Amino acid sequence: KAGVTQTPRYLIKTRGQQVTLSCSPISGHRSVSWYQQTPGQGLQFLFEYFSETQRNKGNFPGRFSGRQFSNSRSEMNVSTLELGDSALYLCASSFDTVTNTGELFFGEGSRLTVL
Amino acid sequence: AQKITQTQPGMFVQEKEAVTLDCTYDTSDQSYGLFWYKQPSSGEMIFLIYQGSYDEQNATEGRYSLNFQKARKSANLVISASQLGDSAMYFCAMRERNSGYALNFGKGTSLLVTP
Repeated sequence: KAGVTQTPRYLIKTRGQQVTLSCSPISGHRSVSWYQQTPGQGLQFLFEYFSETQRNKGNFPGRFSGRQFSNSRSEMNVSTLELGDSALYLCASSFDTVTNTGELFFGEGSRLTVL
Repeated sequence: AQKITQTQPGMFVQEKEAVTLDCTYDTSDQSYGLFWYKQPSSGEMIFLIYQGSYDEQNATEGRYSLNFQKARKSANLVISASQLGDSAMYFCAMRERNSGYALNFGKGTSLLVTP
């Protein structure tokens, strides 16, 4: 069974630009979560989508947004990029996160560099 | 306040030896889940083991076991018979209702297995 697929794997942008990252979850998974990983802040939760609805949001500015499609694929967008947005963006899927059991399956991430 | 604390930034262990990676957590929820993930240099987060707060027995998955001490709020990962391929970053994480079921990660421990 195919794992979580994230595209693109690597990208370079300049300040002020915007970027869209894509995530295809494991077949049958309806929950998609996004995490940002930086050396300074570690892994931080961005948001979670379930059945096309944002169910939970982390403490990030409004420049960070996302959406989920009817096939559970998800995209996240970052507008007006800043240098501090350089990070590894990880997508994770699961059947449902509103339980305390079951792991999240992560993709390999999209590594964004902002110049 | 930090929800997950991993006090060991880096650890060394010799091949075939056992190693314990420390994790303490902070929550007021009665029901929560604790996870350990491995992140090799490729970036993907690999699920290792899960412990539910109501589980009375320590979780085990192959060479991985979780030493769960609820009263002390600790969830240490024990890797037995270390292998060179175990060299990676290891993250402890917690999921609880108070955080909307998002994973709260610790800062991680870098494990290096030497021949």
